[in-house]
Parts: sequence; structure tokens; C-alpha cells
Amino acid sequence: EIVMTQSPATLSVSPGERATLSCRASQSLSSNLAWYQQKPGQAPRLLIYGASTRATGIPARFSGSGSGTEFTLTVSSLQSEDSAVYYCQQYNDWPLTFGGGTKVEIK
Amino acid sequence: EVQLVQSGAAVKKPGESLKIYCKGSGNNFINYWIAWVRQMPGKGLEWMGMIKPGDSETRYSPSFQGQVTISADKSISTAYLQWSSLKASDTAMYYCARTSANWFDLWGQGTLVTVSS
Repeated sequence: EIVMTQSPATLSVSPGERATLSCRASQSLSSNLAWYQQKPGQAPRLLIYGASTRATGIPARFSGSGSGTEFTLTVSSLQSEDSAVYYCQQYNDWPLTFGGGTKVEIK
Repeated sequence: EVQLVQSGAAVKKPGESLKIYCKGSGNNFINYWIAWVRQMPGKGLEWMGMIKPGDSETRYSPSFQGQVTISADKSISTAYLQWSSLKASDTAMYYCARTSANWFDLWGQGTLVTVSS
């Protein structure tokens, strides 16, 4: 099973600042990685797939990068509505696995 | 608007059975896979398994194989997740999600399952 490790566990960022979230895989994924946003009491929402392709309707301030075992989700200018938990998910191999999540707080 | 609508919250006792559903709208339901994802209280997301309603092909996570059954009825665009004997540790929110390439682009609203004596 591919283990996904996200860091940091919690990130506190001021509005308008950049947030950088990391996701590391225990083996190479090529670009088979997705990112999700989950706000309290809501279902997750797809942000990024293919490591760097934004899903439909996702604002341009969200961007993904990386390949192999190291991936990054960047929120270029954090808005108050971006306060949420962010998960990465690999789909390179079975079983599909998620990272433990990074909680983004607004300072 | 394409959406996945899940059954309502359930409160059950240990040892009881349960079947929850995920109903899709739109004509393309059978062309996608429908996955089930568990989220235990205060915890992260876990992929349980998935089904292709068009032919009922299924894949399970080893962690959930034998613990749950995933099924579907394509005639009513509905996927199911069922337990034959619930345990307290099955208490969680369960989401269904649509996928065509193993990332999840559309999610249901979630079904909270509480198992308590």
C-alpha cells in the first residue's frame, strides 16, 4: 500500500499570504495525484488532479505541482473562505490512499 | 445539475445490519465508477471500494474486503453500501463519490452512521 504523508499538520496563514502544503508518497506516483478541500460539515471537493490540473470551477489561486514522490499544493493569496482541511490522494496503485490532511487556518 | 444524493443518517445497535444508498442523477451514471469513502469522527478519508454500476464490477480496499458489500442497481442509478453485522467502530460519515479515472470529481453529501448500544 502506498503511504501518503502530508505536512504540516496545521498551517496558519494571514489573508493574502501564500500557503504551501506538501504531500509525500512512499513510492513514485508519476503524476497520479489529486488534491481535495474539505470544509467543516461538508463533503470534500476536488481541487486538482493529474498533480497540476485544476478541476472545473476551481479558482486560479489554487495550483498543484510535483511528480514522483513529492507534491505541493499552493494557494497564492489566501482568502478567508480557504480555511479548510486539504487532502492529497494517490491513484497510481491499488488501494487508493489519502494523506492524513493539512488544516489551514486563517490568522 | 448532476448530483449524488445519499440516504439519511442511521442509528443502529451492534450486530444489526444496514444498507445505505447513493442515488445519481443524469444519464451517465452507468459510465462512471461510484466509490465509498469512510471518515471516522475527527479523522481523515479512507477509500473503501468502488463499483461500476453498468456491469457491477467491484474493487475493494484490503482493509474493507469482507467487512462490507458494495452493490448497485443501474436501473435506478443507485449504489449501495451494506453491513451484515455492525460494530461500534463502524461509526463514521460515509461518502459516495463519482470517478472515471480514480480521482473523485463529484461527492454525495454524506451519510452519518452511528452504532451504539
